[in-house]
Amino acid sequence: AQTVTQSQPEMSVQEAETVTLSCTYDTSESDYYLFWYKQPPSRQMILVIRQEAYKQQNATENRFSVNFQKAAKSFSLKISDSQLGDAAMYFCAYRSTTSGTYKYIFGTGTRLKVLA
Amino acid sequence: DTGVSQDPRHKITKRGQNVTFRCDPISEHNRLYWYRQTLGQGPEFLTYFQNEAQLEKSRLLSDRFSAERPKGSFSTLEIQRTEQGDSAMYLCASSRTGGHTEAFFGQGTRLTVV
Repeated sequence: AQTVTQSQPEMSVQEAETVTLSCTYDTSESDYYLFWYKQPPSRQMILVIRQEAYKQQNATENRFSVNFQKAAKSFSLKISDSQLGDAAMYFCAYRSTTSGTYKYIFGTGTRLKVLA
Repeated sequence: DTGVSQDPRHKITKRGQNVTFRCDPISEHNRLYWYRQTLGQGPEFLTYFQNEAQLEKSRLLSDRFSAERPKGSFSTLEIQRTEQGDSAMYLCASSRTGGHTEAFFGQGTRLTVV
């Protein structure tokens, strides 16, 4: 079974600085999707960024980028120029591409605090 | 596109009572998911539908939990004989089929069992 591990329960970053959130996963599959979701205090989860495992190029979305290391099964999220609105819980998620197994598996999350 | 809608947003119930939650997915999404989230934890998978077919159900889900999606549109999650341990946020998500699809989440239903 696939698992997702986030080893940093909490991180802090100064406004305008850069922070990296870690995520590792375990799978025997070769093709899958990885996601980072943000959950602000209002609790609605929103997608930050996604990565297809077959793509070697790391995904980027404005200030958000990932470092995808397939062999190491590592998928970290880098937030540049941190803003107060980035404060939230961040969840790493895995989704298989195997037919009939489309559930998303989440890590335990990292709480990000942004200091003014 | 009004997003994923869940009702009610909050539910307080006495132990032993039955509760039912509703989820309305984004209209063109044929996959629908239910997750449970306790404080400080990540969402835990409960069950998943593709159209009206329930394709997967967590082994952790007891017989007191049942979900339906009768016409492949909205879904309901029922918990019978609630226990204090059922207190949690229940999240619904939906997605399209196809490869490049992320799940869109609703705001959740917070259940408190007293």
